[in-house]
Amino acid sequence: ELKVEQNPLFLSMQEGKNYTIYCNYSTTSDRLYWYRQDPGKSLESLFVLLSNGAVKQEGRLMASLDTKARLSTLHITAAVHDLSATYFCAVGGAGNEKLTFGTGTRLTIIP
Amino acid sequence: DAGVIQSPRHEVTEMGQEVTLRCKPISGHDYLFWYRQTMMRGLELLIYFNNNVPIDDSGMPEDRFSAKMPNASFSTLKIQPSEPRDSAVYFCASTSSGGSSYNEQFFGPGTRLTVL
Repeated sequence: ELKVEQNPLFLSMQEGKNYTIYCNYSTTSDRLYWYRQDPGKSLESLFVLLSNGAVKQEGRLMASLDTKARLSTLHITAAVHDLSATYFCAVGGAGNEKLTFGTGTRLTIIP
Repeated sequence: DAGVIQSPRHEVTEMGQEVTLRCKPISGHDYLFWYRQTMMRGLELLIYFNNNVPIDDSGMPEDRFSAKMPNASFSTLKIQPSEPRDSAVYFCASTSSGGSSYNEQFFGPGTRLTVL
């Protein structure tokens, strides 16, 4: 059974600082996704990572994938308040379209 | 594109009543997923369909839950009878197995269900 772990679960950080969220998964997969969820809202797709070494960047967020280590990271650079949200990673199973989601990381940016 | 559409957005009902949640996937998508989100259990996959056929319903909590997809543009999730522990936000998502979406799932706005 595919398991996906995120850490930390909660993260408070000051504006302007850098930090990284980690996503570990238990079995081989060829696709990993990052989503953002604002309070009371739906999930919004941020990144799709499809191969070992893949790196995607959008503004202050950068995601990377290491399939050998079964690890993805979401790096936040010079955080701003607008990035406060819950971030989920999700991993695709082999041979099907099902995604297994991590527990989420609730990020709070403090001015 | 209008995105995934769900209705109602909010539902408040009393224990024992039947609840029906509705979803319209993005046109052209051949997969549809139903999720439930709570603080205690996080985001759980309940069931998913491919070309209107249920593929995996192992996440459906019990027989009180049922889901149908009569055509490519409509799905329902029904709870009968409802219980307070069913209170949650229910999301519908869809994706395409072809094209450039890379199986990226697109989520609807969700239905917030409260069972009193």
